[in-house]
Amino acid sequence: EDQVTQSPEALRLQEGESSSLNCSYTVSGLRGLFWYRQDPGKGPEFLFTLYSAGEEKEKERLKATLTKKESFLHITAPKPEDSATYLCAVQADGNNRLAFGKGNQVVVIP
Amino acid sequence: SAVISQKPSRDICQRGTSLTIQCQVDSQVTMMFWYRQQPGQSLTLIATANQGSEATYESGFVIDKFPISRPNLTFSTLTVSNMSPEDSSIYLCSVGQGINSPLHFGNGTRLTVT
Repeated sequence: EDQVTQSPEALRLQEGESSSLNCSYTVSGLRGLFWYRQDPGKGPEFLFTLYSAGEEKEKERLKATLTKKESFLHITAPKPEDSATYLCAVQADGNNRLAFGKGNQVVVIP
Repeated sequence: SAVISQKPSRDICQRGTSLTIQCQVDSQVTMMFWYRQQPGQSLTLIATANQGSEATYESGFVIDKFPISRPNLTFSTLTVSNMSPEDSSIYLCSVGQGINSPLHFGNGTRLTVT
């Protein structure tokens, strides 16, 4: 069974204080690893897809990286508007389903 | 990406009743899924909504409890039947355009059962 574990569950950052979120996964053949951002009362918003170890994707202050066992979402010099829950999900080969982690809740304090 | 509209956005229902949630997409999509999000838990896939045929349910979810329709490539409904307080959750519709495309989500329906 595909499993995704995200850590830390919750993180409070001062504005400008860079940090990283971890997503550890086990899957029987990785087709893709996905990062989403979810704001309160909203559905998850797609951020990145990573397909193979060593791949990196960037968007504004966010950078996602992938190894064979885990992915990191690096938040550089965060701003209060980066406060959200970040969700990691994996998709296995031959499968349309996504298996999600519980999320990393990030609060950025001005 | 597709614009996904879910109705209702929230509802409070009495136990024993049923609620039908609608998901409308502004373009034709290949894949439609229904997820449940409970507080402190991962998003959990309920079923894949198949156009013109019966939905494919995940382990732990059954058609009698969560009947799903998908009459065309832009619309689906999920019914939560004979509700109990344990069904209180956020229900999310998601869509995808192919095996290598990311899923996009609606804003969800927040259901409270009293």
